[in-house]
Order: sequence, then C-alpha cells, then structure tokens
Amino acid sequence: DTGVSQNPRHKITKRGQNVTFRCDPISEHNRLYWYRQTLGQGPEFLTYFQNEAQLEKSRLLSDRFSAERPKGSFSTLEIQRTEQGDSAMYLCASSFEKTGVMDETQYFGPGTRLLVL
Amino acid sequence: AQTVTQSQPEMSVQEAETVTLSCTYDTSESDYYLFWYKQPPSRQMILVIRQEAYKQQNATENRFSVNFQKAAKSFSLKISDSQLGDAAMYFCAYRRRYRAGNMLTFGGGTRLMVKP
Repeated sequence: DTGVSQNPRHKITKRGQNVTFRCDPISEHNRLYWYRQTLGQGPEFLTYFQNEAQLEKSRLLSDRFSAERPKGSFSTLEIQRTEQGDSAMYLCASSFEKTGVMDETQYFGPGTRLLVL
Repeated sequence: AQTVTQSQPEMSVQEAETVTLSCTYDTSESDYYLFWYKQPPSRQMILVIRQEAYKQQNATENRFSVNFQKAAKSFSLKISDSQLGDAAMYFCAYRRRYRAGNMLTFGGGTRLMVKP
C-alpha cells in the first residue's frame, strides 16, 4: 500500500493555459474524490467517482473543469483556460465503499499546488 | 446544506499540556459521521479520529479524544500530552451516513502551535 499519490506536486502556469493533474488512488479503492483548498481554508468538494462513473459534481466545478477516471483506477482533473482564481491546492482522496459496510475513511494524497500567473 | 464552523483560527499549547479545539456544525440529518483531520505543513492530510453520530460514547485514539454533544451540534477535539509533532492545521469534517457521494464538508481549520 503506497497511499494516494498525485502528480505533479507543483504547477505554475500562465493565465489562459490548460493544466492537467493526475491522482493515483490506493489500489483497491473504488471511490475517488477531488477537493480544492485555497490558502487558509478547508478543502471544498469538487467531484467524485464510483469506479469509472462520475456520480456527483459540485457547483464549484465550472465548465472549464473536467475530470475523468477512464478505467476506474487513476483519475485526471483538467482545467482549461486557467484563471488566477484557480490558484489553489487540488487534493485527491480515495476510499473503499461496499454495500453494507459503513466503515469508510477517505485517504488523502499530498495535493497539487497550482499557481496561475 | 451542511456547514461546519471552527471558531478558533489559531491555538497555542505548551508541550506536554492539554488543548481543546472547537467545532460546531449544522445539519438536519440524524445520522452522520464527524471527523478530525490533521494537515502538517506541506504534508498530506491524515485522519486523527472519527465519531459516528449514532454512538453516544465519545471516540478516543491514544492522546486524542472528542467531546461529542449531538443536541448542541458540537464536536471538540482534546489533545493530551501535546507533542511538537502535533503542530499542524486541524480540520473538523462532516459526512452524511446514508447518501450517495459521502463527500466531506470541512470547517475552516485551526492552526495549532506547540511551544517547547
């Protein structure tokens, strides 16, 4: 068990550019979550996947944001036409959900810190 | 919608002493989970302790314990025998129990400083 990993750890980009982040969850985990954390704030939910299906999206996830989890394993989060307001830490978390099993803990990755200039 | 409030932006404690971090939440649900997560500087968030709302007994994990007051919607974290390694941001979080998604709703965090 290597934990949740995220790449890159840091990304600096110019306004208007596209960026893509990757999250590799813990291998047996079927749920994957994306959160955004701005400086000095708690994380805010963006979206989550059950296997490869994207089941819920927050209103924070504008149409410039898209997330995928093509084979139910790793996930990518793409931001198109970045804006300075997109500067934040993007956190990924994973968990194992099974019907009838209520003990679910989300394990977080180290995050990708995005700075839009 | 659920909200989580942490009214203490910063707290300070002397090493080996006890500190309590406060959290209140608002929900219309009767069954849910509450969590405390720790986020050390430049490191990933880790779970400190969790509490199921249907359990009356307060959760404990070694030096960490909670005071869960369901009627008051209060969920405080007590850290005993504070250590330098406890210095971090602490986030209180809420999750509904019976609903698809199970996303966490976080408070704004409390920065804990530990003085040697």
